[in-house]
Amino acid sequence: GESVGLHLPTLSVQEGDNSIINCAYSNSASDYFIWYKQESGKGPQFIIDIRSNMDKRQGQRVTVLLNKTVKHLSLQIAATQPGDSAVYFCAENIGYKLSFGAGTTVTVRA
Amino acid sequence: GAGVSQSPSNKVTEKGKDVELRCDPISGHTALYWYRQSLGQGLEFLIYFQGNSAPDKSGLPSDRFSAERTGGSVSTLTIQRTQQEDSAVYLCASSPSAGGPGEQFFGPGTRLTVL
Repeated sequence: GESVGLHLPTLSVQEGDNSIINCAYSNSASDYFIWYKQESGKGPQFIIDIRSNMDKRQGQRVTVLLNKTVKHLSLQIAATQPGDSAVYFCAENIGYKLSFGAGTTVTVRA
Repeated sequence: GAGVSQSPSNKVTEKGKDVELRCDPISGHTALYWYRQSLGQGLEFLIYFQGNSAPDKSGLPSDRFSAERTGGSVSTLTIQRTQQEDSAVYLCASSPSAGGPGEQFFGPGTRLTVL
């Protein structure tokens, strides 16, 4: 079946650098996308969302880009900090369901 | 304000035993979800409750799994005759959205270990 997936399972980034986490989705009917952050031992925490009628949305230090032509979603984190170390999931929303990818583990090097 | 809470935080059980996992959603949220997260994996949808409507049970992996939601609030996920492959983190989420796209608020999860 159709699902959301991430390009890379791990990402190591130097503190202060920008991070880019990628996600490919396959369901063109998806109308809403969310990025979640999950720290060890905790549940996923909402970071930012974007609707399918948008191609970019900015939050505090984070930007989500949506390219519907190639079914690609990315999360950019500016000036990555040690507290950004976590697993990041993209999820696509069809109706009331969220379909999650496997996640990218981001490790911030001091 | 209070977020989604789950109990217990950890549960160790022996193969063949039944377990009950509890979820207290955010007050006023009409939608409640259960997910399963195996080690290093994404979240697998299990079941969805919306108000008084019949739940969407399409994600339950076997008939050993069941869930109920009493009074439109607290939910219990029951796993009967547990197997080792049931070991995972079980996450509950609630949402104020009534059937449309929207943010889901997650609890901390219950880590289930079946020996």
